[in-house]
Amino acid sequence: SQQGEEDPQALSIQEGENATMNCSYKTSINNLQWYRQNSGRGLVHLILIRSNEREKHSGRLRVTLDTSKKSSSLLITASRAADTASYFCATDAVTSGSRLTFGEGTQLTVNP
Amino acid sequence: SAVISQKPSRDICQRGTSLTIQCQVDSQVTMMFWYRQQPGQSLTLIATANQGSEATYESGFVIDKFPISRPNLTFSTLTVSNMSPEDSSIYLCSAAEPQYGYTFGSGTRLTVV
Repeated sequence: SQQGEEDPQALSIQEGENATMNCSYKTSINNLQWYRQNSGRGLVHLILIRSNEREKHSGRLRVTLDTSKKSSSLLITASRAADTASYFCATDAVTSGSRLTFGEGTQLTVNP
Repeated sequence: SAVISQKPSRDICQRGTSLTIQCQVDSQVTMMFWYRQQPGQSLTLIATANQGSEATYESGFVIDKFPISRPNLTFSTLTVSNMSPEDSSIYLCSAAEPQYGYTFGSGTRLTVV
């Protein structure tokens, strides 16, 4: 079964607004990763945050990790229509042997 | 990070037949994985492809249905055997180097009719 749960399942915003997606997981992790998928194509790696990190930035992306709550959030600032995609979190659990477990995903729609 | 070439990108197959999906990585990688993504859903790990030995399958997946090969550190195949419409999904391979992260192939969209 999927370890991660994401909310919201779907998010629709206007261009220029910020989008926040949340991910929760159940077991101890080595790291948590966020991926983007356009229209059922391959996954694009966005950002990796290690268990000893609390916040990470990459361009318009900001990821936070709270290991005490077993949760993470992905913030996309100043969104663009091209950000429209599905976003997935994935956890590398301590006992997983580098196998990733994916959350259910958030479908983000950015309206021009 | 590694670059993966996955083929075919899509196929429409008759039920009862088999399809083999290939992934070629442009550098040697420690680990390779195969995932399935059913329509509208997230990714589910099928198996870890082990170089030179049998793949390690996740619960619910068996070797007879999804035989996997990994003859070297840059190449792996997944076969979907005796297909039924329920096998219609996107299949993705992934390569991992723990210090560099993970890369995914572009996926194979399989439709079984």
